[in-house]
Amino acid sequence: QKEVEQNSGPLSVPEGAIASLNCTYSDRVSQSFFWYRQYSGKSPELIMSIYSNGDKEDGRFTAQLNKASQYVSLLIRDSQPSDSATYLCAVSKAAGNKLTFGGGTRVLVKP
Amino acid sequence: SQTIHQWPATLVQPVGSPLSLECTVEGTSNPNLYWYRQAAGRGLQLLFYSIGIDQISSEVPQNLSASRPQDRQFILSSKKLLLSDSGFYLCAWSLPPGNYGYTFGSGTRLTVV
Repeated sequence: QKEVEQNSGPLSVPEGAIASLNCTYSDRVSQSFFWYRQYSGKSPELIMSIYSNGDKEDGRFTAQLNKASQYVSLLIRDSQPSDSATYLCAVSKAAGNKLTFGGGTRVLVKP
Repeated sequence: SQTIHQWPATLVQPVGSPLSLECTVEGTSNPNLYWYRQAAGRGLQLLFYSIGIDQISSEVPQNLSASRPQDRQFILSSKKLLLSDSGFYLCAWSLPPGNYGYTFGSGTRLTVV
C-alpha cells in the first residue's frame, strides 16, 4: 500500500464547474497535509495547507481533512482553463518535516 | 523574502559522466533542504534531506550523493550517471521544525543519453 494515494486521472471538468480531488494516506500519525499544483514542465507550487479536521477555504480552493478516515480532499470552484494541471497531495508526519507525495491527479478544465 | 535558486535548468549528460546540481536559498537561515526526483509521469521521490551543514540523510540508496558545504547551499552529485538517473530534479526548502510545507526551486531536467 502506498503511503499517499491519489487517482491519476485525468479528471475532466467543464469550465465553471467544481473539480473534486481526493487523497488517502496510510500513516495515522500524519499531522500536516498539503496540496501542490504542478503545471507541465514546471515545479510544484503550494496552494493549500490544512492541519485540523474540517474545511479550509482560500479563494476558489477548499481543502477538507478527515483524520479518522485518513482522507484529504481539494475542491476547486468555478474551474478555469488555467486550473489545468497536476495536483499533488503531500503528507507530513509529526516527527520531522519530510513530505511524502502522492502520484498526483491530472485535471483538465475544458472551455 | 526567501528565494531558492537551482541550476542548471536543463542538462544532457552521457552515461558514465559525473553530475553536479546546485541549489541555494536566500533570505533565511538554517533551512531544511531537500532533493527530490520526479521521473516522467511519476510522483516525487525524496532522495536526500538535510537539517544542517554536513547533516545529510539519504532516503533511497543509489549512485547519487548530496552535500551541504554551507548553510544555504545543497549539492547533488554523482560520479557516474546511469540511464535511470534521467528525470526532473527538484530542490526544496522549509522552515524547521514545524510542518509548513516546502518551497521548490525551478528544477533541473536531466537527460542521460
